[in-house]
Amino acid sequence: NAGVTQTPKFQVLKTGQSMTLQCAQDMNHNSMYWYRQDPGMGLRLIYYSASEGTTDKGEVPNGYNVSRLNKREFSLRLESAAPSQTSVYFCASSEYGLGLYGYTFGSGTRLTVV
Amino acid sequence: TQLLEQSPQFLSIQEGENLTVYCNSSSVFSSLQWYRQEPGEGPVLLVTVVTGGEVKKLKRLTFQFGDARKDSSLHITAAQPGDTGLYLCAGRYNQGGKLIFGQGTELSVKP
Repeated sequence: NAGVTQTPKFQVLKTGQSMTLQCAQDMNHNSMYWYRQDPGMGLRLIYYSASEGTTDKGEVPNGYNVSRLNKREFSLRLESAAPSQTSVYFCASSEYGLGLYGYTFGSGTRLTVV
Repeated sequence: TQLLEQSPQFLSIQEGENLTVYCNSSSVFSSLQWYRQEPGEGPVLLVTVVTGGEVKKLKRLTFQFGDARKDSSLHITAAQPGDTGLYLCAGRYNQGGKLIFGQGTELSVKP
């Protein structure tokens, strides 16, 4: 089925370790997003890419970096994981500049930092 | 920081009851969306509302956009256990802008 694919689904890291979360979409969407979801706090935007070749900070970018590898792929990197980064991470994509379109989300990566 | 407040945060009801979830902001939205999220999955778009006063229906779900485009509500009639999940509202403050999400309403419908 068409959509947004995230890998891995689960990950446990030790404090200080690094990892990259992968995201790919096959809907030819221009814009892609990384969110984190914590209990009672909804979805908070980490970074986004309005179009291929551009990336911008969202609400909570500290401790993260992103790469828009091509139109399909947008990765999120944790250089030195901290327990505060324990969360569920969602990647999403959408058409650019079309306010009536919603976001299509992946099924998430559950990350635990110990 | 633009805020989107949802209420209530938690709701536990019996099958067959009606319920309403609210989404409020002090700023005007250009459009607003409602999503539903099931455990272990990402949010899925239910509806988009654009015009002040607009009402949209999706089976037993009724979505309303406030006249001033600062608030929205989701009403579920005769709730069923399959309606259980996290309901999120999300708004755009300008056309083409990023979505801002509310903190969500966790609904549990008991048989």
